[in-house]
Amino acid sequence: KQEVTQIPAALSVPEGENLVLNCSFTDSAIYNLQWFRQDPGKGLTSLLLIQSSQREQTSGRLNASLDKSSGRSTLYIAASQPGDSATYLCAVEAGGYQKVTFGTGTKLQVIP
Amino acid sequence: DGGITQSPKYLFRKEGQNVTLSCEQNLNHDAMYWYRQDPGQGLRLIYYSQIVNDFQKGDIAEGYSVSREKKESFPLTVTSAQKNPTDFYLCASCPQITGGGYTFGSGTRLTVV
Repeated sequence: KQEVTQIPAALSVPEGENLVLNCSFTDSAIYNLQWFRQDPGKGLTSLLLIQSSQREQTSGRLNASLDKSSGRSTLYIAASQPGDSATYLCAVEAGGYQKVTFGTGTKLQVIP
Repeated sequence: DGGITQSPKYLFRKEGQNVTLSCEQNLNHDAMYWYRQDPGQGLRLIYYSQIVNDFQKGDIAEGYSVSREKKESFPLTVTSAQKNPTDFYLCASCPQITGGGYTFGSGTRLTVV
């Protein structure tokens, strides 16, 4: 059974700092990994989708990497801003038709 | 713009009452999903549908029912058997092909009064 872990559960950083969020998964036979952002009481907004054949994806100040062999993905946020404060979740698709497992997220607070 | 619309945003249910949550998408996605988000437990799959007139139970289907009469719509009915006082429900869709990635709606918060 696929397990997805995100550590730490919460993170607080000063504005302007570069930071890395971690996602680890137990079954490396994945189709893709997706990073989401969730604001309080809202739905999930897709940030980056990495296919199994890719090593990384970039969008603006965000960069996500994927290392299937070690079962790890990182989300790098450059020059963090207070507006980046949210919960970040990763989701892994593996093990059958659209079988997706979500992590429980990292709650990020960027302090002005 | 294409997307997923969930309504209502907030819903109140009396004990013993069934309620239906709406989910509509204009992304032309074949697959649609319902998740419940529990604090500390992440997203848990309730039901999913890969094609019109077909749907499958997820991990926590008891107390829920769905229908998929149109490609664009996947309503979820929460029955009186569901006892949680407050829950947050998320609808999602995905292209038919594996690896297409998910698009989520904005969620519905259901409260038992």
